[in-house]
Amino acid sequence: AQSVTQLGSHVSVSEGALVLLRCNYSSSVPPYLFWYVQYPNQGLQLLLKYTTGATLVKGINGFEAEFKKSETSFHLTKPSAHMSDAAEYFCAVSRIGGSYIPTFGRGTSLIVHP
Amino acid sequence: NAGVTQTPKFQVLKTGQSMTLQCAQDMNHNSMYWYRQDPGMGLRLIYYSASEGTTDKGEVPNGYNVSRLNKREFSLRLESAAPSQTSVYFCASSEDRDRQNSPLHFGNGTRLTVT
Repeated sequence: AQSVTQLGSHVSVSEGALVLLRCNYSSSVPPYLFWYVQYPNQGLQLLLKYTTGATLVKGINGFEAEFKKSETSFHLTKPSAHMSDAAEYFCAVSRIGGSYIPTFGRGTSLIVHP
Repeated sequence: NAGVTQTPKFQVLKTGQSMTLQCAQDMNHNSMYWYRQDPGMGLRLIYYSASEGTTDKGEVPNGYNVSRLNKREFSLRLESAAPSQTSVYFCASSEDRDRQNSPLHFGNGTRLTVT
């Protein structure tokens, strides 16, 4: 069963527009949540993470995400897209079944048009 | 800082051939992981090593073996390659598998094609 769902395999935005990448999870215990970014021909890099505390988390490159327990969501946003944001984005969840090893979503490719 | 280094970057194998993918990290991390990435499938865990001297199966271990050579190095071996193993392989490390604030640090991947 899929424990992490990323809605939309591709998201297309214009430069300067709002970026919204969706992530929903299923977990029987409070999860730890991560967003990673993958640029072409590179490995994944951590964008931001939520473990405990403030539910609005700020990351690198102007991205932020909000943990909403009632909606089991951890959507990634950025107010204004830049061409350099074009990449693959992965949501990951750990503590599913008690394990701290993260389970990854299938990824969302962000396309930014000039 | 090198971080996580994977070799080789690219490899083409014929069905039935064997090879070992190498991974080394210089961050003094305890835990190391091997993932494969396939289009539309995200990352799937093959094997992991919580600490030096231990290894455990992940989601898709069939057809692979691993060795945690020392704290720095974690290799992945394909004994008899199959076309279904065509993929991009990522090695990752984390400070400690059981620590909540331990994100993964990834290498740049090995692109493997099995013909």
